[in-house]
Amino acid sequence: SQQGEEDPQALSIQEGENATMNCSYKTSINNLQWYRQNSGRGLVHLILIRSNEREKHSGRLRVTLDTSKKSSSLLITASRAADTASYFCATDAGGNQFYFGTGTSLTVIP
Amino acid sequence: EAGVAQSPRYKIIEKRQSVAFWCNPISGHATLYWYQQILGQGPKLLIQFQNNGVVDDSQLPKDRFSAERLKGVDSTLKIQPAKLEDSAVYLCASSYLGGKFFGPGTRLTVL
Repeated sequence: SQQGEEDPQALSIQEGENATMNCSYKTSINNLQWYRQNSGRGLVHLILIRSNEREKHSGRLRVTLDTSKKSSSLLITASRAADTASYFCATDAGGNQFYFGTGTSLTVIP
Repeated sequence: EAGVAQSPRYKIIEKRQSVAFWCNPISGHATLYWYQQILGQGPKLLIQFQNNGVVDDSQLPKDRFSAERLKGVDSTLKIQPAKLEDSAVYLCASSYLGGKFFGPGTRLTVL
């Protein structure tokens, strides 16, 4: 399967803690994107990191990309209950090669 | 800026019935996608349009699924006849400069 793999599958933390989730993929990519999906809702685009970038920040989000290891991580700092959602990475290899990972379900306990 | 609109939000049908979903992308976005997301999985691409032309429909079960994007704006996805395994959320997305923007999805339950 060309779909990326994410770990952990599920993560439960206390409010205020940091949450880290990882994404591994198989092919060379142009960029990698992270999305959030609240239960029963559509996907919300969080951040895009290009293949020539190693780290990117957006608010409480920090994304890293290691193309040599074909992996990315998403760090959410100072988590809040509202961060409870599923998080998906998606790899874009150009053309029609855009694939979502399997997702990490994050629960932030107030 | 208005987001991607989809309707209906929920649909329950019996197997072998037909169903249609509608999507209105963000204004100016030439590329439109339909994804199927089965519970507990990541979204899977069904079909991609560039304006009103099909770019990729390799994963669309063409014996029962069809989609069109007349005039290169709105799109409809149809399932006829539906099977139990079609129960999923159907997501529409449009893109501009690489970033994809998703609609809220239509949750289909086939009984």
